[in-house]
Amino acid sequence: KAGVTQTPRYLIKTRGQQVTLSCSPISGHRSVSWYQQTPGQGLQFLFEYFSETQRNKGNFPGRFSGRQFSNSRSEMNVSTLELGDSALYLCASSLVWLAGGRDNEQFFGPGTRLTVL
Amino acid sequence: AQTVTQSQPEMSVQEAETVTLSCTYDTSESDYYLFWYKQPPSRQMILVIRQEAYKQQNATENRFSVNFQKAAKSFSLKISDSQLGDAAMYFCALITSGTYKYIFGTGTRLKVLA
Repeated sequence: KAGVTQTPRYLIKTRGQQVTLSCSPISGHRSVSWYQQTPGQGLQFLFEYFSETQRNKGNFPGRFSGRQFSNSRSEMNVSTLELGDSALYLCASSLVWLAGGRDNEQFFGPGTRLTVL
Repeated sequence: AQTVTQSQPEMSVQEAETVTLSCTYDTSESDYYLFWYKQPPSRQMILVIRQEAYKQQNATENRFSVNFQKAAKSFSLKISDSQLGDAAMYFCALITSGTYKYIFGTGTRLKVLA
């Protein structure tokens, strides 16, 4: 079974631009979560989507948004990029949504490294 | 608020030796899960081991085992017979039935010395 894939793997943008990152979960997984990983802040939860609905979100400004499609693929969008948005963005999928108990193990993708200049 | 604390930014272990990584957490929920994830350099994060809070028995996966002390809110990871491939960042994570989201610790970088 193929793992979680993320595209693109690397991205360079300038301040003020917007960016869209894509995540394809493991086949059959319906939950997709997004994380921002930086050396200073570690792994910070952005949001979780399940069955095309945002089920939970972290403490990020509204410039960060996402969506999930009927095939469970998810996209994350960051508008008006700031230098501080430079990070590794990780996507993780799980069989059920994170409140689902026993099957809430997350499988992570390789990440998209975003650099904002 | 839920918190996860990893107080050891970096640890070193000799190959074939045993090392223990520390993790403490705080939650007022009674229903929660704890995880250890491993992130090798430039590679994907993978699950090492998980523990359900309601289970008293410590989880074990081959050379990896945990010491789950519920009253002390401690969840340490023991790696036995360390191998060079164990070198990675290790993250402790908590998810509760109340918040439904993973809270990660800041990570411990493990170096394995040949």
